[in-house]
Amino acid sequence: EVQLVESGGGLVKPGGSLRVSCAASGFNFSSHSLNWVRQAPGKGLEWVSFISSSGSYIYYADSVKGRFTISRDNAKNSLYLQMNSLRTEDTAVYYCATDKTGSSFDNWGQGTLVTVSS
Amino acid sequence: SSELTQDPAVSVALGQTVRITCQGDSLTNYYASWYHQKAGQAPVLLFYGEDKRPSGIPDRFSGSSSGNTASLTITGARAEDEADYYCSSRDRSGNLVVFGGGTKLTVL
Repeated sequence: EVQLVESGGGLVKPGGSLRVSCAASGFNFSSHSLNWVRQAPGKGLEWVSFISSSGSYIYYADSVKGRFTISRDNAKNSLYLQMNSLRTEDTAVYYCATDKTGSSFDNWGQGTLVTVSS
Repeated sequence: SSELTQDPAVSVALGQTVRITCQGDSLTNYYASWYHQKAGQAPVLLFYGEDKRPSGIPDRFSGSSSGNTASLTITGARAEDEADYYCSSRDRSGNLVVFGGGTKLTVL
């Protein structure tokens, strides 16, 4: 069974940093591209970032480019999102998701809540 | 603002058929994917590509596309189908992903 478990969320002040993680199991992690998708409270889904299976290709939404860094450790079956210069509008549940075709995400974690507030 | 446009809310009578639409320029080049999300839960992929449905998804969910509009059709809506529905696709550059704003489906 595919499992994705996010962790590392919490309360951080504007301008601060946080790293969220996603631990994967139940599938061949190193063969799958992965994404981060977020959802602000009461709002819709927003794609954040993509990383290819080897880490060679990385893309970011304009809203986080230059502030967030996606990475992965295939030896540890883990995905990461380093978030710097956080803003109040970054407050959201952050989901990791496996990538089926480049814009379809077939497995999702339960998410981790990041709250940016003073 | 989203490059994919969805109606904010749609309603359907129990057992009837409903179509949820998603409009955007990138849909002339890329297929949409469809998800539903129930309160407090993660999204679930329902349909993707030209004609693909993940295993375990009932065949009452189907997708189609015409020009710049993609559609998800639910045939024989059930009470449990009440949820938020989202489309996604690549953006015009082909490298990034965009979601529609979501459609809240109410089953009457």
